[in-house]
Amino acid sequence: NAGVMQNPRHLVRRRGQEARLRCSPMKGHSHVYWYRQLPEEGLKFMVYLQKENIIDESGMPKERFSAEFPKEGPSILRIQQVVRGDSAAYFCASSLQGQYNSPLHFGNGTRLTVT
Amino acid sequence: GQNIDQPTEMTATEGAIVQINCTYQTSGFNGLFWYQQHAGEAPTFLSYNVLDGLEEKGRFSSFLSRSKGYSYLLLKELQMKDSASYLCAVRDGDMGRRALTFGSGTRLQVQP
Repeated sequence: NAGVMQNPRHLVRRRGQEARLRCSPMKGHSHVYWYRQLPEEGLKFMVYLQKENIIDESGMPKERFSAEFPKEGPSILRIQQVVRGDSAAYFCASSLQGQYNSPLHFGNGTRLTVT
Repeated sequence: GQNIDQPTEMTATEGAIVQINCTYQTSGFNGLFWYQQHAGEAPTFLSYNVLDGLEEKGRFSSFLSRSKGYSYLLLKELQMKDSASYLCAVRDGDMGRRALTFGSGTRLQVQP
């Protein structure tokens, strides 16, 4: 299966701990996007990355959140000192070449619960 | 900025036709996408429109009017498995942005 792979599927953290969410894009895709979804709500854009570059981080909180997409390995979304309000589903998506008509292909998400 | 509106919930009967509307206001426009999302699962791509008109794909069709900032998703011969959220998303015209901005989704309940 060459789809977008996210892990872990579920993550439980206590307040103040760090959460690291991983995403491997579809084979051949070089553009990665992170979205956050609260229950019964739509997907909120966080950050858009290409290999080794952050292209657009306008949706990501300035504090505690960071993202990277290194030359080798998966993209990582890192949340430091988690708070209860960070509990949500975090979806990663990838696209081919960043063309206007390229749809985003989503992974199954990581459901973060902060206790 | 971008503003995307779609109804929160809809109910329809198995075998019927349902139309889910989406209106948008964007600073630029490079296409409108529809996604389906079952509860607890990943959104899956349904359709893409960038020119005015109707795109048909099996039981699903999507329509776009750029001058009106309006799109709809038409689902025919509804099946129980079509119960899901349907997300409208727009890609704006800013050169640096390839991300999609999503509406809040329309939760469709198909009844027997």
